[in-house]
Amino acid sequence: NAGVTQTPKFRILKIGQSMTLQCTQDMNHNYMYWYRQDPGMGLKLIYYSVGAGITDKGEVPNGYNVSRSTTEDFPLRLELAAPSQTSVYFCASSPTSGSYNEQFFGPGTRLTVL
Amino acid sequence: KQEVTQIPAALSVPEGENLVLNCSFTDSAIYNLQWFRQDPGKGLTSLLLIQSSQREQTSGRLNASLDKSSGRSTLYIAASQPGDSATYLCAVSGGSNYKLTFGKGTLLTVNP
Repeated sequence: NAGVTQTPKFRILKIGQSMTLQCTQDMNHNYMYWYRQDPGMGLKLIYYSVGAGITDKGEVPNGYNVSRSTTEDFPLRLELAAPSQTSVYFCASSPTSGSYNEQFFGPGTRLTVL
Repeated sequence: KQEVTQIPAALSVPEGENLVLNCSFTDSAIYNLQWFRQDPGKGLTSLLLIQSSQREQTSGRLNASLDKSSGRSTLYIAASQPGDSATYLCAVSGGSNYKLTFGKGTLLTVNP
């Protein structure tokens, strides 16, 4: 199993550009999450999904969109990139709900908006 | 709103020392608590998960405890090694979406 994979690893955007961060998991997990990590801070939840076709907002959803058409993929779309979106983005997945909801993380995408 | 605090923010120890990292959280209504390791420029590696009904979990030289009623967890690392140098993150799972709320981490340096 590759686990959770993310592409690209690095990206530089200009203000106002758009891009999609890709996330794929091969563990047949129902739950998927997008977090962002700013320097010296903990991770914050952007969006999450409990299954194909179902998504919902987390703590910091403004400026982002998601879709979940398959169990495996959970892309994050940035529209009109802003410097405040410079961050490291992590995708995570989990097999189940409840007390054994262990989340597995991808390697991250480091995004800079100039 | 759940808040997670990790103390200390940074810790430097000589090789071979036993050490304790601390994590506290404000809302005891959690499903579980996870400890992660993050190397510079890398993703998060899950070290231990303690379910809300458990008191501790062990993996090799690592032992994590959970006191849900007081909102505290500790990560004990025995016989530290330079390879243990990393940032250690504590996170608690709660809410209808089981989202993780993270602390800011403890940067551990183990000196040879």
